[in-house]
Amino acid sequence: ELKVEQNPLFLSMQEGKNYTIYCNYSTTSDRLYWYRQDPGKSLESLFVLLSNGAVKQEGRLMASLDTKARLSTLHITAAVHDLSATYFCAVLIYKLSFGAGTTVTVRA
Amino acid sequence: DSGVTQTPKHLITATGQRVTLRCSPRSGDLSVYWYQQSLDQGLQFLIQYYNGEERAKGNILERFSAQQFPDLHSELNLSSLELGDSALYFCASSGAPRGNTIYFGEGSWLTVV
Repeated sequence: ELKVEQNPLFLSMQEGKNYTIYCNYSTTSDRLYWYRQDPGKSLESLFVLLSNGAVKQEGRLMASLDTKARLSTLHITAAVHDLSATYFCAVLIYKLSFGAGTTVTVRA
Repeated sequence: DSGVTQTPKHLITATGQRVTLRCSPRSGDLSVYWYQQSLDQGLQFLIQYYNGEERAKGNILERFSAQQFPDLHSELNLSSLELGDSALYFCASSGAPRGNTIYFGEGSWLTVV
């Protein structure tokens, strides 16, 4: 059974500083997804990482994938309040399996 | 707007009842997924259809069933509802059996009282 583990589960960020969310998974896969969810809302697709070494960036967010280490990271640069949300990673084998999510709060 | 449409958005029903949740995938997407999100279980995969055929099954209870119709819309049927079935049910769609981007709808909030 595939296990997807995120850490930390809760992250209090200070505006302007950099942070990283980690996503470890237990079974080889070449497809990893990052989503953002605001409270009570849908999941917004942030990144799809399709190969070892893939790196994608959008604004203050950058995601990378190391399939050999079974590790993906979501790096947040110079956090701003608008980034407060819950971030999920998910791994696709025959189904999309989600981590528990990282709840991010950005404080001034 | 992801292009995935779910109805109803909110539903309150009594224990023992049956409800049907409907999903219209993005135009051209052949794959439909159903997920349940609750505070204690997180995001749980229920079932996936591709072009009308069941492709993968997750932690879907026997009281739940789903299908994908020829026009590619999908329905999730929940019967003999229990309090624990209260959750946010998401439908998602993608263009291929394995991704690439999987888009989620706004969800259907189900409250069982």
